[in-house]
Amino acid sequence: KAGVTQTPRYLIKTRGQQVTLSCSPISGHRSVSWYQQTPGQGLQFLFEYFSETQRNKGNFPGRFSGRQFSNSRSEMNVSTLELGDSALYLCASSLGQSSGANVLTFGAGSRLTVL
Amino acid sequence: GQNIDQPTEMTATEGAIVQINCTYQTSGFNGLFWYQQHAGEAPTFLSYNVLDGLEEKGRFSSFLSRSKGYSYLLLKELQMKDSASYLCAVSSNTGFQKLVFGTGTRLLVSP
Repeated sequence: KAGVTQTPRYLIKTRGQQVTLSCSPISGHRSVSWYQQTPGQGLQFLFEYFSETQRNKGNFPGRFSGRQFSNSRSEMNVSTLELGDSALYLCASSLGQSSGANVLTFGAGSRLTVL
Repeated sequence: GQNIDQPTEMTATEGAIVQINCTYQTSGFNGLFWYQQHAGEAPTFLSYNVLDGLEEKGRFSSFLSRSKGYSYLLLKELQMKDSASYLCAVSSNTGFQKLVFGTGTRLLVSP
């Protein structure tokens, strides 16, 4: 079956611009999570959506937002980009169970460079 | 606060055994995951521990001690393709999908 698909894979923006990243989860997975990966901080949780509702949120400013559509596809948006937003943004999907091993399957990521 | 510690880098030779340690302090505990990430690729799931003890899966094993806040990933019969970053992550009681990751251990396997 197809894996988690993220688009675009690479993008370059300038400070102050906004960006939208897209994620298509594995068929049947209703939970989509977003993580930011940087060399110094590792993977940091941004937010998680389940059935079009934000279920969990990390400690990122309000410039970072997301949404999920009825087909479970998700988008995340970063407004007023800052240099520090340069990172690999990883999307992960799972069944979204509330117990047991909720294994996340990650996409290849969207590498954002802010100049 | 929540904190996951693991060594930054380790080296080993082909055919050897290596143990990657992970210590954690989190608000609640709902399981510990290990992921493997090759450079430029997505992290892939290796193992999950929720109860104390050893889980074995082929060349890879993972151990958990909840009372000590400690886990390790054991890789046997190392191969060159095992050169990658190994990420320790904990699911706390703030949300099953909200994993707290360590910064990862880069493992370099030499011939």
